[in-house]
Amino acid sequence: GQNIDQPTEMTATEGAIVQINCTYQTSGFNGLFWYQQHAGEAPTFLSYNVLDGLEEKGRFSSFLSRSKGYSYLLLKELQMKDSASYLCAVKENSGNTPLVFGKGTRLSVIA
Amino acid sequence: DTGVSQDPRHKITKRGQNVTFRCDPISEHNRLYWYRQTLGQGPEFLTYFQNEAQLEKSRLLSDRFSAERPKGSFSTLEIQRTEQGDSAMYLCASSDPGSYNEQFFGPGTRLTVL
Repeated sequence: GQNIDQPTEMTATEGAIVQINCTYQTSGFNGLFWYQQHAGEAPTFLSYNVLDGLEEKGRFSSFLSRSKGYSYLLLKELQMKDSASYLCAVKENSGNTPLVFGKGTRLSVIA
Repeated sequence: DTGVSQDPRHKITKRGQNVTFRCDPISEHNRLYWYRQTLGQGPEFLTYFQNEAQLEKSRLLSDRFSAERPKGSFSTLEIQRTEQGDSAMYLCASSDPGSYNEQFFGPGTRLTVL
C-alpha cells in the first residue's frame, strides 16, 4: 500500500528556520518531490530528490534517505509569504507517472 | 501566460447534474494528469494520458467519471450524476517527457455540488 506521513500543521517565526518531515512507505520509489501550495492556488514545484543527500536551492533545501523512507524540507530565513501548505509526493515508478501525495503540512509564519 | 489552464475555475451544480471540465496543458507536454483535492488533503490521482492514450485510471474513479484527450492536446473530465461527495478541487497537471516528471499544475476547478 501507499502511506506518506507529514505533520498536519506547524508554526514558525519570521526569520527562523523550519524543518518539515515526511516519511513514506510506497510500493516503489523513483523520486520524491516537494510542492508548495498557497490557499486556493495550484501546487508549485519546490524540489526533487532521487538520490540520498541534501539538495539546496536558495532558502529551500530538501533531504532524502531512501533506506529510512524519510525526507525533510528545510526553509531558512522564513518570510510571511512562506505561509502555505507543503506537500510531499513520491513517484513510485520510472518515467512520467502519477505522483502519490501526502496530506500536506500547513505552515504558519508569525511575526 | 503559457502555463496549464483550466476552465471553469468554479462550478456550482445540483446533485444529479452532469458537469464537464477542461484542461489545456503546456503545449509541448505530452503527459496530462487529473487529480482531485479536498480540504486538508493532498491531491489524489484520478487518471492520466500520454498524448491521446489514457494510460491509467485510479481505482477510486467511479464509472460516473470519464476523461478524454481526443487530439492529444486539451483534456476534458466529465462527472455524470454528480453527488455531494464529488465536491472538491479538480487539478490538472502536465509534464515534459524529457524531464524527471516535474508536474506543472493548473489553477484547478472548484466544484460544489448542492
